Amino acid sequence: AQSVAQPEDQVNVAEGNPLTVKCTYSVSGNPYLFWYVQYPNRGLQFLLKYITGDNLVKGSYGFEAEFNKSQTSFHLKKPSALVSDSALYFCAVRDDRGGSYIPTFGRGTSLIVHP
Amino acid sequence: EPEVTQTPSHQVTQMGQEVILRCVPISNHLYFYWYRQILGQKVEFLVSFYNNEISEKSEIFDDQFSVERPDGSNFTLKIRSTKLEDSAMYFCASSGGRATNEKLFFGSGTQLSVL
Repeated sequence: AQSVAQPEDQVNVAEGNPLTVKCTYSVSGNPYLFWYVQYPNRGLQFLLKYITGDNLVKGSYGFEAEFNKSQTSFHLKKPSALVSDSALYFCAVRDDRGGSYIPTFGRGTSLIVHP
Repeated sequence: EPEVTQTPSHQVTQMGQEVILRCVPISNHLYFYWYRQILGQKVEFLVSFYNNEISEKSEIFDDQFSVERPDGSNFTLKIRSTKLEDSAMYFCASSGGRATNEKLFFGSGTQLSVL
């Protein structure tokens, strides 16, 4: 079975500082990993994905994520946070041996960037 | 960027009543999904729909739930007899290809409150 965990309900960071939003996953095969962001009153928007290849994936709005197989993690990062990055961030995983084509989402992490 | 639209944004209903949540997916997309998120919990997959039939569904999607694409543009989720535990944010999504490694486009959700 595929599952994903976002261990932090909320992350607080000062504008200009680096940010990290954590995600760990569990699969029986190889993972397909995704990050989505939800701004207030909007739907979830795709940020980036890891399917295969380079462990560092770059996505929209300056975000990147690092796939770490040994730690089964896919943490979202940004070198310098903006107040406008404040939103809800969702990690998702799909197991290539799971028999399902549907990604499983986490419960989300609220990122608050303080001016 | 094209958007998935959902109506209504909020729906309040009495326990035992039927509700229909409506979604207009992106026009050239072929795969459609419903997810829900109970407050503070994970975003849970309900059902996926392709070629006018259900392609996958979760354990949550029992006989009380049904989906329909009545007119080639709308995609609806019906809950026949609502329960208190159906209270959640319901998200519709669509994609051009299978969710395996395609990004999903989400609507902004319908907040369903069952009293």
